[in-house]
Amino acid sequence: QQQVKQSPQSLIVQKGGISIINCAYENTAFDYFPWYQQFPGKGPALLIAIRPDVSEKKEGRFTISFNKSAKQFSLHIMDSQPGDSATYFCAASMWARGGTSYGKLTFGQGTILTVHP
Amino acid sequence: GAVVSQHPSWVICKSGTSVKIECRSLDFQATTMFWYRQFPKQSLMLMATSNEGSKATYEQGVEKDKFLINHASLTLSTLTVTSAHPEDSSFYICSARDLGTHTYEQYFGPGTRLTVT
Repeated sequence: QQQVKQSPQSLIVQKGGISIINCAYENTAFDYFPWYQQFPGKGPALLIAIRPDVSEKKEGRFTISFNKSAKQFSLHIMDSQPGDSATYFCAASMWARGGTSYGKLTFGQGTILTVHP
Repeated sequence: GAVVSQHPSWVICKSGTSVKIECRSLDFQATTMFWYRQFPKQSLMLMATSNEGSKATYEQGVEKDKFLINHASLTLSTLTVTSAHPEDSSFYICSARDLGTHTYEQYFGPGTRLTVT
């Protein structure tokens, strides 16, 4: 119930195209859904995050779409660039209920994005 | 923005020895820090939650006597891998939440590459 399932495992997109990565979760107690970008040998960096009270959030070329009833959320990268080539992780955590799971991030399996020039 | 540093960035040690990894929040205070382990081409797995002034909370399957965590101040947490073995070779990453904000955002360090020979 703590799992977050991410797909696809890898994705190849041409420059200027749209990259779409999907995640699904089971635990309805999750109330914070961030996306992270990680380059080889580096720590993850927060890209964008959403709370379940909104269905979409956009920041620059990055958009999160959130479907609470389906327990799914996705990352859309518009106008993908070669510099976007990295591994992307979705994650989920719960804050409101506190307890021993307070703030812990559960990560998806990751998606290796390659953007060809 | 909030910055988390780790030291060292990489370390090689011999089997049976211990190695200490530091995680510092440089420009904010963090009552809670998290320690993750990441194997090549895999996702981040939470090892433990480090709480300032109290004992760490370990995830199921993580040996608390092997991975010693100390959170002595609001800006420093340390992870000591005791009696390291080659299977402990991994990428260790910490994260911290800014006590002074009311956001759920966690800031990640750059990671420490541990190689046990």
